[in-house]
Amino acid sequence: EAGVTQFPSHSVIEKGQTVTLRCDPISGHDNLYWYRRVMGKEIKFLLHFVKESKQDESGMPNNRFLAERTGGTYSTLKVQPAELEDSGVYFCASSQEQGAAITGELFFGEGSRLTVL
Amino acid sequence: RKEVEQDPGPFNVPEGATVAFNCTYSNSASQSFFWYRQDCRKEPKLLMSVYSSGNEDGRFTAQLNRASQYISLLIRDSKLSDSATYLCVVIGGSQGNLIFGKGTKLSVKP
Repeated sequence: EAGVTQFPSHSVIEKGQTVTLRCDPISGHDNLYWYRRVMGKEIKFLLHFVKESKQDESGMPNNRFLAERTGGTYSTLKVQPAELEDSGVYFCASSQEQGAAITGELFFGEGSRLTVL
Repeated sequence: RKEVEQDPGPFNVPEGATVAFNCTYSNSASQSFFWYRQDCRKEPKLLMSVYSSGNEDGRFTAQLNRASQYISLLIRDSKLSDSATYLCVVIGGSQGNLIFGKGTKLSVKP
C-alpha cells in the first residue's frame, strides 16, 4: 500500500514567488495534517483537514498560506508570496478516523523542502 | 517555556551501550505521550507510545512521570541502526494534533 506522498521533494524559489506543495494521503485516511519544520526548530502543526473540511487551522502562520483539500482526497498548500522565513520542510501526514487522538500515530510523508532565496 | 523540551544532544555512543533520553512537557493536562523516530532527511515515524505504568518494546523502554511531567526513553544494547533523531511527542488540542520536541540526535558508532 502506498504511503503518504508529497511533491515536490525540494523547491527553490525567490522571495515574492509562489509555491504550491501537494500531498496525497494514504487512501481511505480522512484526516490530513500539514506540519512544518523550520531549521533549528521543532516540527510544528499548521492545520488539520477532516475530509474536505478544515478542522483546525490554528497553526497557519499568516494569510500568505492557503491550504485546500477539494474532494477530500489530496491536499495542496500554497505560499504566496513566499518570504525568507518560510524556508523549511513541510510535512504532510494522514490518519484514519481519529487515529492520532487515540494512538498518536500519524503517517508522515517524506516532506517537501522549501528554500526561499 | 516550550511545550515539549528535550535533551539537546547529540548523543554519540558505542555499539552495545545503553542510552537514555529525557523529555519534559509543560501542560499538566496532557494525556497522551509518544516517541517518534526520524532518520536523516526522512519522515518521522511512531516508535512507541508511553504509558503511565511504563512500557517496553524489545530493547526500548519508555516511562512517564506525571507528577514531574517527565518522559524518558531508554535504549539498551544500542545498534548502529538506532542512529536517528528521537522526537518526544505530546498530543495537544482537541483534535489530537501532535506537539513535537526538537528531537535528540543519537549516533551509534562501531
